[in-house]
Amino acid sequence: SYELTQPPSVSVSPGQTASITCSGDKLGGKYTSWYRQRPGQSPVLVIYADNKRPSGIPERFSGSNSGNTATLTISGTQAVDEAEYHCQAWDSSTAVTFGGGTKLTVL
Amino acid sequence: QVQLVQSGPEVKKPGASVKVSCKVSGNTVTSYGISWVRRAPGQGLEWMGWISAYNGNTDSAQKLQGRVTMTTDTSTSTVYMELRSLRSDDTAVYYCARVTYYESSGYYSDWGQGTLVTVSS
Repeated sequence: SYELTQPPSVSVSPGQTASITCSGDKLGGKYTSWYRQRPGQSPVLVIYADNKRPSGIPERFSGSNSGNTATLTISGTQAVDEAEYHCQAWDSSTAVTFGGGTKLTVL
Repeated sequence: QVQLVQSGPEVKKPGASVKVSCKVSGNTVTSYGISWVRRAPGQGLEWMGWISAYNGNTDSAQKLQGRVTMTTDTSTSTVYMELRSLRSDDTAVYYCARVTYYESSGYYSDWGQGTLVTVSS
């Protein structure tokens, strides 16, 4: 089965840039999405199709995907961005994989 | 705006079954595919399965096949997920999520609020 690997945690200072990676075999050949999940809340889509932002998601969120790694970048990180972030790859409606999640701490 | 509203928390004993509902509002449920995703304590998100509310086609993760059933009631725009032979490691928050497509690749644009299922003797 397909696997996606994320670092368990990333720390960033307020106003700095946070980068969260997601690695998988030939991941660059698939579209990757990213979800933010705050404690006790449902996931919220922040990036789809590698680098597209849904309406309502701030411009400081961006994404890229190449080779074996997709990256979620948060520029000018704010305290409200502290959450867990999950990547997701899609092969078909019945072959969906999530990464293990990365806890972003804004120090 | 599509909304997904799930049923309330459940406490079950090992070996029992649980049925979680997900009511879709804001558009006709038959337009959608709905996936079920769960998150166990200390774990990441886990894809469980998918149902086409249009024609009822389903598929589920290999590790759950034989224990999970997904159905839809188009008259009430509600999708159901039943999990049988519950074990302690089925304790998790269960989410329904609507599938949206970009160039035949899917992502989850809308999520239910989650249903906590606790399996304990």
